[in-house]
Amino acid sequence: ETGVTQTPRHLVMGMTNKKSLKCEQHLGHNAMYWYKQSAKKPLELMFVYSLEERVENNSVPSRFSPECPNSSHLFLHLHTLQPEDSALYLCASSQDSGPYEQYFGPGTRLTVT
Amino acid sequence: GENVEQHPSTLSVQEGDSAVIKCTYSDSASNYFPWYKQELGKRPQLIIDIRSNVGEKKDQRIAVTLNKTAKHFSLHITETQPEDSAVYFCAASIGNYQLIWGAGTKLIIKP
Repeated sequence: ETGVTQTPRHLVMGMTNKKSLKCEQHLGHNAMYWYKQSAKKPLELMFVYSLEERVENNSVPSRFSPECPNSSHLFLHLHTLQPEDSALYLCASSQDSGPYEQYFGPGTRLTVT
Repeated sequence: GENVEQHPSTLSVQEGDSAVIKCTYSDSASNYFPWYKQELGKRPQLIIDIRSNVGEKKDQRIAVTLNKTAKHFSLHITETQPEDSAVYFCAASIGNYQLIWGAGTKLIIKP
């Protein structure tokens, strides 16, 4: 269970705070994803980074900004979040020439107060 | 836009009975259909997948069937056990690596 790691596992932040979520994959993959998981809803793809492109879900608010410095690391920078942003944020990775299985991290449980 | 519909949202079956979860997809170009299991408080994990050149795939008590013409695929779990209790998600591929997901089915196994 150490292929994809995420930190922190839990985060409580106020609406005026700035924080970052971190994801790291040790699988040699070249595509990484951020998903938002809310109760009783489909997994919502937020961002994808692959070797060739970055894909962004246009419905994601600008208070979420991703950063992918290399193929093994992915960050999600958070600022001035709203209570409705409270959710489980999952990172995943896969090969980008497939499609193939996506491997998920354990997630960060985010609560915005 | 493209979507995947998953039914039922909750399924309760007696231990030892079979469970079937169904999904329909909209993108006729989808060619990869995985099923993930997410236990409470844990990450989603792949349990079985199927590609569009195959109609059925089986792995012990789990099987997946695909009907490309009708654009639907199903997960079948036989001889259900308490450890099968979880939320199950279906997905369909978009392009070379992205997936579009169903809303999930909560499977409850009654002792």
